[in-house]
Amino acid sequence: AQTVTQSQPEMSVQEAETVTLSCTYDTSESNYYLFWYKQPPSRQMILVIRQEAYKQQNATENRFSVNFQKAAKSFSLKISDSQLGDTAMYFCAVHSGNTPLVFGKGTRLSVIA
Amino acid sequence: NAGVTQTPKFRVLKTGQSMTLLCAQDMNHEYMYWYRQDPGMGLRLIHYSVGEGTTAKGEVPDGYNVSRLKKQNFLLGLESAAPSQTSVYFCASRTGGGLNTEAFFGQGTRLTVV
Repeated sequence: AQTVTQSQPEMSVQEAETVTLSCTYDTSESNYYLFWYKQPPSRQMILVIRQEAYKQQNATENRFSVNFQKAAKSFSLKISDSQLGDTAMYFCAVHSGNTPLVFGKGTRLSVIA
Repeated sequence: NAGVTQTPKFRVLKTGQSMTLLCAQDMNHEYMYWYRQDPGMGLRLIHYSVGEGTTAKGEVPDGYNVSRLKKQNFLLGLESAAPSQTSVYFCASRTGGGLNTEAFFGQGTRLTVV
């Protein structure tokens, strides 16, 4: 079974600052994908970034980047130049092959003006 | 392109009543999922389907049933609703095969059982 742990239930950051959200996971699969989803107050689930486990290079999408440490089974999300619109719940997730997405419990991020 | 559509968006049920949540996707996706979201618990998988006519249990299947008679639809049923089933329900779908496939989510259904 795959598991995902997000150890920070809530975080806050000043506007324009950088924040890092932590995620660790466990899987017995050799090939898998990792995801960060954002859920704003609208409740819509939005894909932020994804990482292929067999790629060593960390994924980057504009202000969002990940620090993928495969041996440590760690997949943290860094948000640079935080904006008020980044205020949301953030979920880390993993899946491999035909297995469904497994989510962590989420981190509630508040960006403060 | 509607993507993933859930019906209804809100519902209040009395304990013991039954209801069906409908999930429809127009992306020809093979895989479909039902999750429930509770405060502090993240999204937990209820049931899922890897193709038309197939279903499988997820992490929290008790009290729910599902059907996938048509590829584009995935129904979630509550036969006898209980207050513990008060939650926000999300449907998701994605293509089958490779790993690099994004899951697309519906807008959620807020269900309250009184």
